[in-house]
Amino acid sequence: KNEVEQSPQNLTAQEGEFITINCSYSVGISALHWLQQHPGGGIVSLFMLSSGKKKHGRLIATINIQEKHSSLHITASHPRDSAVYICAAANRNKLVFGAGTILRVKS
Amino acid sequence: DVKVTQSSRYLVKRTGEKVFLECVQDMDHENMFWYRQDPGLGLRLIYFSYDVKMKEKGDIPEGYSVSREKKERFSLILESASTNQTSMYLCASSSPLFNYGYTFGSGTRLTVV
Repeated sequence: KNEVEQSPQNLTAQEGEFITINCSYSVGISALHWLQQHPGGGIVSLFMLSSGKKKHGRLIATINIQEKHSSLHITASHPRDSAVYICAAANRNKLVFGAGTILRVKS
Repeated sequence: DVKVTQSSRYLVKRTGEKVFLECVQDMDHENMFWYRQDPGLGLRLIYFSYDVKMKEKGDIPEGYSVSREKKERFSLILESASTNQTSMYLCASSSPLFNYGYTFGSGTRLTVV
């Protein structure tokens, strides 16, 4: 069993839909990262959270430390949100990555 | 705008060549990392460094070495490139002063022929 599990692996949504990507982890963490990777490779850090909830624009990330679970929500999805979303569990200096969720938003 | 810069976006090398991948960060971060990313395997840690001249093996260090002579620069070296090292290579940096937030480079897609 991987230390960080993401679901779903692939997700296709219609523009405007509310999207949820889930992440469960089994390791002890100091923080949980959500990353975005567009075709071409570069990775952008979306959120780093250790408790509660964070919001940035249409993106919301939540974490439940007791249940070792985090979710990334995208409201009013748009085709430009199409990307790979990766969660990563941080233990001080090191990250353990999930396999990623490939999101495609159709117009 | 703070950034992590990888010297090459695309690289094609021949089997047996010595390959250098360079990474420079301008944020004065203590920690730097090299990952490779392969379809179905996700991101895997090759080497990381906590400080100048310090290095530690990650999960898949075989066939690689690293150098960190200056705080801002972390180099990944493929001593004798092989076709199974064809991959996307990503550099990242972080700092405890910034609560270990990570900044990633744009990646180098290396093809070994």
